[in-house]
Amino acid sequence: RKEVEQDPGPFNVPEGATVAFNCTYSNSASQSFFWYRQDCRKEPKLLMSVYSSGNEDGRFTAQLNRASQYISLLIRDSKLSDSATYLCAVAYSSASKIIFGSGTRLSIRP
Amino acid sequence: NAGVTQTPKFQVLKTGQSMTLQCAQDMNHNSMYWYRQDPGMGLRLIYYSASEGTTDKGEVPNGYNVSRLNKREFSLRLESAAPSQTSVYFCASSESAQTYGYTFGSGTRLTVV
Repeated sequence: RKEVEQDPGPFNVPEGATVAFNCTYSNSASQSFFWYRQDCRKEPKLLMSVYSSGNEDGRFTAQLNRASQYISLLIRDSKLSDSATYLCAVAYSSASKIIFGSGTRLSIRP
Repeated sequence: NAGVTQTPKFQVLKTGQSMTLQCAQDMNHNSMYWYRQDPGMGLRLIYYSASEGTTDKGEVPNGYNVSRLNKREFSLRLESAAPSQTSVYFCASSESAQTYGYTFGSGTRLTVV
């Protein structure tokens, strides 16, 4: 089993829709969580960190459920420019490295 | 600021050839990383350097070597390239991975024929 798992998609949704992704992690020692966005043939870029209390940045909301060991990303009022691959990432307290999921591909249609 | 700079951006090698991928960061980060990304496999850690003077193996180190030349630079060497090393290689750096995550370079697309 992979340490960090995501549904690869693709998710194909109309502009203006709300879409949510989940990501599960297997190591309960995981301490920090992130969502990255990766455009086609580009490098991943940090979208947002995920805090225990949940956090919101504009149309994006990230939440953490430690009991069930998953993180989620909610995108409201989706835009064409939101089309990308979204990677979840997990860092452990005992190491200075991050484990990435394989990514969820999102396509927003007009 | 340039952030994380990788060279070259594209490379084609013949099987058995060697090459070095260069990475430099200007953010005074302590930690640097090399990942490869393959379709359906996500980002897999090859090697990392938590601080200047240290390097550690990641998930897929076989066939690679690294050098942390100084705080700014972290190179990845393929001694004898194989077709299985065809991939996109990303360098990343961080002041504290747990707190801030990574900043990635723009990647090197390597094809081994």
